[in-house]
Amino acid sequence: KAGVTQTPRYLIKTRGQQVTLSCSPISGHRSVSWYQQTPGQGLQFLFEYFSETQRNKGNFPGRFSGRQFSNSRSEMNVSTLELGDSALYLCASSSGVGTGDRGIQYFGAGTRLSVL
Amino acid sequence: DQQVKQNSPSLSVQEGRISILNCDYTNSMFDYFLWYKKYPAEGPTFLISISSIKDKNEDGRFTVFLNKSAKHLSLHIVPSQPGDSAVYFCAASARSSGGSNYKLTFGKGTLLTVNP
Repeated sequence: KAGVTQTPRYLIKTRGQQVTLSCSPISGHRSVSWYQQTPGQGLQFLFEYFSETQRNKGNFPGRFSGRQFSNSRSEMNVSTLELGDSALYLCASSSGVGTGDRGIQYFGAGTRLSVL
Repeated sequence: DQQVKQNSPSLSVQEGRISILNCDYTNSMFDYFLWYKKYPAEGPTFLISISSIKDKNEDGRFTVFLNKSAKHLSLHIVPSQPGDSAVYFCAASARSSGGSNYKLTFGKGTLLTVNP
């Protein structure tokens, strides 16, 4: 079974630009969550999508948005990039249904975004 | 408000000795706890978990202990190996406000270095 795939692996953008990151979950998983990892801040939850609907949301500004497609693939968009948006963005998938997996998530390798 | 705290940013141990990583939480609604391990340039990988109805779970060299009254859990690695050197994230799981799924909250991580 293929794991979680994130593309691209690295991105360099300048302030004010926008960026779109992509995530393909494990086959059969319907939940996709996005996290931002920065030094000293750990993993900060951005949002979760399940069956094309945003189900949970973290405390990030509206510049951060996402969507999920019918095949469960998800994209995350950041508009009007700021220097502080430089981080590793991680996508995680889970079955998202019932209580069987109790929240266990499987992560991709991440997209390293550098904003200059 | 940080609901999951890993107060030690780093820990260094000798190969063959025990590594003990600690985690504290504040939210009484958390009922499932997980440890993830992260190597540089890779996404976090699930390591071990424990339900709130248990106080210990063991998997090979890894044991997680839960003290509910103290809202504290710890990960023991015995014996420690150089390949265990990584960032370890503690995470806690609780039902989302809508009750339809579980949401993970992560600590900031502890960098473990195992010296040969």
